[in-house]
Amino acid sequence: DAMVIQNPRYQVTQFGKPVTLSCSQTLNHNVMYWYQQKSSQAPKLLFHYYDKDFNNEADTPDNFQSRRPNTSFCFLDIRSPGLGDAAMYLCATQDGAYSNQPQHFGDGTRLSIL
Amino acid sequence: QKEVEQDPGPLSVPEGAIVSLNCTYSNSAFQYFMWYRQYSRKGPELLMYTYSSGNKEDGRFTAQVDKSSKYISLFIRDSQPSDSATYLCAMGSSYKLIFGSGTRLLVRP
Repeated sequence: DAMVIQNPRYQVTQFGKPVTLSCSQTLNHNVMYWYQQKSSQAPKLLFHYYDKDFNNEADTPDNFQSRRPNTSFCFLDIRSPGLGDAAMYLCATQDGAYSNQPQHFGDGTRLSIL
Repeated sequence: QKEVEQDPGPLSVPEGAIVSLNCTYSNSAFQYFMWYRQYSRKGPELLMYTYSSGNKEDGRFTAQVDKSSKYISLFIRDSQPSDSATYLCAMGSSYKLIFGSGTRLLVRP
């Protein structure tokens, strides 16, 4: 009964080759987040959607883009992955009715760059 | 200075011990506080959530928030080997969460 599903769990790509990570949810939450987590570090927020409104963090590189075609799905596109982009990418959702609701995470996609 | 400070550990305790995990923070605007548990190669799993000072208990877990000292704690009673994981504190205001870097806990059988 997984509620936030990320595919694939492991992704290997080549340096500079575009890659897309996907996230789907069955919670019908209107807020969706993408985080980057490197080993032994805190998850770092890249951006989030409130419904269709896109909110980018100021320090998120332009190399990272996102799409949300509908409530259930959200994609993370890395246009030209560099070695420093190897990390776990986490998707999270939130019921946006109240800003203080907890976030619910998927199990992440571990991205490796060759 | 980071907004949220958390000792990375590792913290190693024998089975049955009481575990105390802590975070300090600097931003007095934080309104709600959470603890997540993260097993290796998995996503963070929500353990505890509170938005006021004081204690909140759920089974073997107790979350404590002291807003005046900007200090939060998670206590685990009767710790089990299955509690071995990384524990992340998180706090926020509006729609943004700031995480600590996590404390790695190992409970020895």
